[in-house]
Amino acid sequence: DTEVTQTPKHLVMGMTNKKSLKCEQHMGHRAMYWYKQKAKKPPELMFVYSYEKLSINESVPSRFSPECPNSSLLNLHLHALQPEDSALYLCASSQVKGPVGSPLHFGNGTRLTVT
Amino acid sequence: DAKTTQPNSMESNEEEPVHLPCNHSTISGTDYIHWYRQLPSQGPEYVIHGLTSNVNNRMASLAIAEDRKSSTLILHRATLRDAAVYYCILRFGGSNYKLTFGKGTLLTVNP
Repeated sequence: DTEVTQTPKHLVMGMTNKKSLKCEQHMGHRAMYWYKQKAKKPPELMFVYSYEKLSINESVPSRFSPECPNSSLLNLHLHALQPEDSALYLCASSQVKGPVGSPLHFGNGTRLTVT
Repeated sequence: DAKTTQPNSMESNEEEPVHLPCNHSTISGTDYIHWYRQLPSQGPEYVIHGLTSNVNNRMASLAIAEDRKSSTLILHRATLRDAAVYYCILRFGGSNYKLTFGKGTLLTVNP
């Protein structure tokens, strides 16, 4: 079991749908992350939130819209996605001002299929 | 981000030690060496990290070359559960945020 919970585990959506991925952690971490992982590839960083403010956006298309409503929750809103956006979406959290190299804690991801 | 080079795949036998190498010849003085692993159908999991000295924890040991241009993750007794992709990552010491994954090494453990 992981301390970072992601829902849903699987999601199938059409290109005209709007859906959201959710991530929750209760470790008191104030940095939260979204990664995207295509099959047989390493995870790629998409967004980082620090103290509920967007800190890093790795030039992600606007059809992906992150939101951090409080220190425990992270959402990823999806709209007008393309089939090539099908991937495993991973959420992670970490301390902000912990020891240097504070590790990231990952959830097990949401497997998204865009039809 | 400084790059790391790892073998694409390695194979080991159960209950034997495994040495996973990583080259990082362009490492800077403030880069920490991190290792994560990803088991099938799971998110990545932190394994260990270090700066200059060798490090041990309950999961593994990290041996860092004196010039820091390479490192080795050591699993002392591989189990079937250790079969995973192992990622060696350089993380800038000045930021707690960016963690950029390379291609990793797929470790197969034979019974």
